Amino acid sequence: GAVVSQHPSWVICKSGTSVKIECRSLDFQATTMFWYRQFPKQSLMLMATSNEGSKATYEQGVEKDKFLINHASLTLSTLTVTSAHPEDSSFYICSSSSREDKAEAFFGQGTRLTVV
Amino acid sequence: GIQVEQSPPDLILQEGANSTLRCNFSDSVNNLQWFHQNPWGQLINLFYIPSGTKQNGRLSATTVATERYSLLYISSSQTTDSGVYFCAYDRGSTLGRLYFGRGTQLTVWP
Repeated sequence: GAVVSQHPSWVICKSGTSVKIECRSLDFQATTMFWYRQFPKQSLMLMATSNEGSKATYEQGVEKDKFLINHASLTLSTLTVTSAHPEDSSFYICSSSSREDKAEAFFGQGTRLTVV
Repeated sequence: GIQVEQSPPDLILQEGANSTLRCNFSDSVNNLQWFHQNPWGQLINLFYIPSGTKQNGRLSATTVATERYSLLYISSSQTTDSGVYFCAYDRGSTLGRLYFGRGTQLTVWP
C-alpha cells in the first residue's frame, strides 16, 4: 500500500498561536490529499480536500481562514491552524490515494493538537 | 447525504471468540473501506471492498452493494484486535474522499 507520513505526531501550543501540520506522500505523487478531524470518542470528519497547485475545497462548516491548506508540491500538503484556541484541540489526520483510478485511501499517523 | 449506520456500537469479547460487525447505508455507495484505529490513533487499512468478499488471515469482509451493507468478520479474536473499527465510503465524485461511520468499539479480554 501507499505510504503517507504526517508530522508532528503531537503538538502543544499556546492560545493565539498558529500551528502547521505536514502531510507527505512518500512513495507516490498525490495530486489530491484530504484532511480530517476527530474529537475524542467520535468519528472522523472530513474537513477539506487539498488540491495540488490550486485552492483547497472545504466542507460545509469548516472555516477556511482558520484552517489554511497549502498543497504546493505533489508530495506535500500542509494544514495550518491559525490563531488556535482550546476548542481547536483535536486529532488531525490526512490521507491520500496512490492512483487516480483506484480510490483506496491511506492515512498518515495523525497529529494530536492540544491548545492551552 | 448518505446515512451510515454501524453496529454494534460497542462489543466486548473474550479472546478466541468470533464476531461480525456491520455497516448499513441509506443509498448506494462507492469504494467501501474498513479500517482499524489502534489506541494511538493510527488508521490501519483492513479492506478495500466495493463489492464481493475478501479474506486476510483471521479477518474477512463482504460487501453486498445492491443491498447496501457490508460485513466485517473477525475470527478467533485476540487482545490486539481491540480498538475502533470504521467503515467508510466515498461518493464517487472525488476518489478517496471518505465519509465515515460512527465506528464499533471492540474490546477483547484475555
